[in-house]
Amino acid sequence: GQQVMQIPQYQHVQEGEDFTTYCNSSTTLSNIQWYKQRPGGHPVFLIQLVKSGEVKKQKRLTFQFGEAKKNSSLHITATQTTDVGTYFCAGPRRMDSSYKLIFGSGTRLLVRP
Amino acid sequence: NAGVTQTPKFQVLKTGQSMTLQCAQDMNHNSMYWYRQDPGMGLRLIYYSASEGTTDKGEVPNGYNVSRLNKREFSLRLESAAPSQTSVYFCASSHRDRVDGANVLTFGAGSRLTVL
Repeated sequence: GQQVMQIPQYQHVQEGEDFTTYCNSSTTLSNIQWYKQRPGGHPVFLIQLVKSGEVKKQKRLTFQFGEAKKNSSLHITATQTTDVGTYFCAGPRRMDSSYKLIFGSGTRLLVRP
Repeated sequence: NAGVTQTPKFQVLKTGQSMTLQCAQDMNHNSMYWYRQDPGMGLRLIYYSASEGTTDKGEVPNGYNVSRLNKREFSLRLESAAPSQTSVYFCASSHRDRVDGANVLTFGAGSRLTVL
C-alpha cells in the first residue's frame, strides 16, 4: 500500500543551527501538507504544496515539493527553542482523493539552548 | 469558536471493557476523522467520514466502530478494549478547498487511552 516515509526520526541541534527533514512517498501525490506538533500537543497545519517543484517560505521555514511530486522537504534556518516539536508530512491516499491523509512517521526536533 | 472538542482527555480501561470517545466540531466542516498516534508510528487513520451519514475505513479500523451522529459529531467506539489499543487518539475535521481540492485538518487536543 501507499507509504509516506520521513527521515530522520530524531534530530538534536544546537540553537542557531539549521535543520532539515525529508519526506518520501511511494506514489505520486496531488499535494503534500506539513504539520507541527509541540510536545504534549496536537498537530497544527503549517502549509500545503500543490505544484511540482514548488517552494514556499514562512519566515525561517522553507518547504519544497519535488519535481516528480513524490518527495518534499522542510528546512529551518537558524533554529530556535520555539521550533522544538515533531514535524509531519502528509499526503492524500490516492491521486484523486483529498480526503484520506496519510501521515509520515514524523521527525522529532530537539533544540539545545 | 471552540474548534474540535474531544472527550474524555484521559481514560484507563481494563481489557474487554467498552467505551466511546466523543468528538464535536463547530466549524461546519463536512469531513471528520479519527487518528491514533503511537510512538514512532506517526498518525494512522482509523476511520473517516466524508459527510453526515457516511463513514469509511482507514488504515487501522479493526477493533473500532464509528458513528457520524450529525454534521457536528463523530464518535469512536471500542467494543472490547485490548492493550494494543493503548494510544493517543485524535479527532480532526476538514473542509475541502474549492480551488485545489485539498483538505486541511484541524485537530482536537487528543484523548489518551490506556488499556490494562
